[in-house]
Parts: sequence; C-alpha cells; structure tokens
Amino acid sequence: KAGVTQTPRYLIKTRGQQVTLSCSPISGHRSVSWYQQTPGQGLQFLFEYFSETQRNKGNFPGRFSGRQFSNSRSEMNVSTLELGDSALYLCASSRDRATQETQYFGPGTRLLVL
Amino acid sequence: GESVGLHLPTLSVQEGDNSIINCAYSNSASDYFIWYKQESGKGPQFIIDIRSNMDKRQGQRVTVLLNKTVKHLSLQIAATQPGDSAVYFCAENGDFGNEKLTFGTGTRLTIIP
Repeated sequence: KAGVTQTPRYLIKTRGQQVTLSCSPISGHRSVSWYQQTPGQGLQFLFEYFSETQRNKGNFPGRFSGRQFSNSRSEMNVSTLELGDSALYLCASSRDRATQETQYFGPGTRLLVL
Repeated sequence: GESVGLHLPTLSVQEGDNSIINCAYSNSASDYFIWYKQESGKGPQFIIDIRSNMDKRQGQRVTVLLNKTVKHLSLQIAATQPGDSAVYFCAENGDFGNEKLTFGTGTRLTIIP
C-alpha cells in the first residue's frame, strides 16, 4: 500500500505570495492532519480534516487554511507569506476519527520564503 | 498549555548497546502515546504506540514503557544499529474529538560505530 504523498517536495516563494500544498493520504484513510515543523518551534499542529470537514485547528493565523476533497486528498494554503513561514510542512493520515488511530506521515514539503 | 517534553536533547550510544529515550507529558487526560523516528530529510516514521491501559508494549527491538503515575514514557531500543541514528519524538494524541498530536521537542540519537 502506498504511503502518504506530498507535492511539491520543495518550494521557494517570496514574501507576500501565496502557496498551495497538496497531500494524498494512504488509501482508505479518511483523516488528514497538517503540521508545521521548524527548528525553533518543533512540530506544531495546524489543522485536521475528516470527511471534507475541518474538525480541529491549531493556533495559527487565518492566513493558513486548508480543505479536503471527497477522495480524502487535502490541500493547505498559506496566503501573504512571511519569512517565518519557512518550514517543513507535514501531512499525516489516519484511518478513522472514531478511535485514536495512528497517524502516518508523508515526507513533507519544504517551503522557503525569501 | 499542555505539552509533551523530552529530558535530553542528544544521546550518543555505542553500536550494539541498548538506548533509552525519555519523555515527560503534562496532560493527565492523555491516553494514547506514539513514538516517531525522523531521519534527515524525511517525515516522522511510526515506531510504536501505547494506550493508557497498558504500561509496556514491545515491538521489534523496541519497547515502550508508560508510567502514568509520574506521567512519563520511555523508548528502549535494543542492540542499536547505525540505522537507528535519527531524531526521536514522543507524541501525545488528544482526547476523542480532539485528535491532534502534541509533540515533544525530540531527542537526537547518534549511534557510534
């Protein structure tokens, strides 16, 4: 079974631009979560989607948004990029929200904001 | 707020020896814990998990111990190999309806040949 895939793997943007990252979960997984990883803050939860609905949200500004499609694929968008948005963005999928299922991570998208 | 923390940021172990990585958590309501391994340039890789109704769980060369009394868990890796060199994170999964992972700061494990 294929793992979580994320595209693109690397991205360079300039301040003020916006960016869209994509995540394809493991087949059959319906929950997709997004995390930001930086050297200073570590791994921080952004939001989680299940059945096309955002169920949980972390403490990030409204510039960070996401969505999930009917096939469980998910995208996250960051508008008006800031230098501090440079990070590794990780997507994780799990089978179901009814129980505490293990989350499996993709390789991440490394975003550099100049 | 609630947090999951690690005692040691770095750990060096001789190849073949056993290693122990520790983690403290502060949310007494936490009932599901996971250990992840992250190698350079990769996403976190699931190693082993444990639920709060257990105090020990074993996998292949790895054992996780959970002490709910002192809110502490540990990851033991037996007979370490060079491929075990990575950053190890403990993570706490929130209560039902709030399934977000709260990660510790990570411990960098280096295996010395």
